[in-house]
Amino acid sequence: GQNIDQPTEMTATEGAIVQINCTYQTSGFNGLFWYQQHAGEAPTFLSYNVLDGLEEKGRFSSFLSRSKGYSYLLLKELQMKDSASYLCAVRRPGGKLIFGQGTELSVKP
Amino acid sequence: KAGVTQTPRYLIKTRGQQVTLSCSPISGHRSVSWYQQTPGQGLQFLFEYFSETQRNKGNFPGRFSGRQFSNSRSEMNVSTLELGDSALYLCASGLSSGGTDTQYFGPGTRLTVL
Repeated sequence: GQNIDQPTEMTATEGAIVQINCTYQTSGFNGLFWYQQHAGEAPTFLSYNVLDGLEEKGRFSSFLSRSKGYSYLLLKELQMKDSASYLCAVRRPGGKLIFGQGTELSVKP
Repeated sequence: KAGVTQTPRYLIKTRGQQVTLSCSPISGHRSVSWYQQTPGQGLQFLFEYFSETQRNKGNFPGRFSGRQFSNSRSEMNVSTLELGDSALYLCASGLSSGGTDTQYFGPGTRLTVL
């Protein structure tokens, strides 16, 4: 089977750091993606991890542990515009992307 | 470079009708995947096309079908529409099929079935 779990919602304060976790159990693994989706808009690509470790890209970082079936997205220096849904997605061999339900992040002033 | 485009952006249909949605991938991309997004189910994979061939298929009924043309543009068709087909339909394009390249999403088509 396949299962991807993320917290449903999180709240954080502007300027703070927030970590959004994602755990997965899938038949096969070919990389893990994080997407950001603002209400009414299309998902936009944030990061991609295929090997274990931390990938840093500006204020956003993503971590992967394949042995633990675990990833997290770290957002630093939070801004109001970071309020959005964050989607974790596992790519299976063959190309199919399996998405989690998404984490709704609210950034408060 | 232009992004992924989808037409139409909004569509209202009634039960029993059929609908065709269109997706033009980023120039040079040959893979097009389709997803259905609803509040209850989240993003669910419908199918993927690469070089005019369906490479992957999700768990949707046969009423959902698609095709890809030689210029990589793709269409998705839903026949005999049901109320539960109301959703945001997203397409995503990528360079290759089954690989590890990034998929980029279009703005989506919001389908409402009355």
